[in-house]
Amino acid sequence: GAVVSQHPSRVICKSGTSVKIECRSLDFQATTMFWYRQFPKQSLMLMATSNEGSKATYEQGVEKDKFLINHASLTLSTLTVTSAHPEDSSFYICSAPGGAGTGTSGGGETQYFGPGTRLLVL
Amino acid sequence: AQRVTQPEKLLSVFKGAPVELKCNYSYSGSPELFWYVQYSRQRLQLLLRHISRESIKGFTADLNKGETSFHLKKPFAQEEDSAMYYCAFKGWGGSQGNLIFGKGTKLSVKP
Repeated sequence: GAVVSQHPSRVICKSGTSVKIECRSLDFQATTMFWYRQFPKQSLMLMATSNEGSKATYEQGVEKDKFLINHASLTLSTLTVTSAHPEDSSFYICSAPGGAGTGTSGGGETQYFGPGTRLLVL
Repeated sequence: AQRVTQPEKLLSVFKGAPVELKCNYSYSGSPELFWYVQYSRQRLQLLLRHISRESIKGFTADLNKGETSFHLKKPFAQEEDSAMYYCAFKGWGGSQGNLIFGKGTKLSVKP
């Protein structure tokens, strides 16, 4: 089945540094990927929609310059947290939809989730 | 506003007991609703979607437009059903195709 991987699974960094998180679709193509963040005991919140070959679409309240998204290929999207601060500490999850043209068996409404990346900013 | 509400943070039942995880949504159009499950130390995965009207692992969910609900049910809970369950709604508009999640319900099935 379709699998989405994320790297790294966990990262600890100092305040002020930048952190890059990779999201890869294995064995299928993803022209769109979604980035979520999840605070402890809260729901997943959509941050942005990553579009291959074009600019990402950010949700209201999400800083574009802080959370840089690059969807360089049909199988890779990256989220870079720039100048990270302790309040950026969270669990970041990406997903990619199935559907026609992706090579998956799932329909367009099926989302394949990565395992998540836990970011801790000291 | 599009919203998904899961009123219960935690639901604890004994093995063999019936289970119902509640989900209500707010949307004026025809919704697309899903249930996702996250077992301990595993990634989120799709459990079922309302358009398929399927039963997965004994779970079913019926869309009730009148009550704007999409409750997840299983007649006899098993210990392996213990997990976090998220009701999700497919949003439209600026972020077409994204999912809007409820806060999740932790199901604990005791032996």
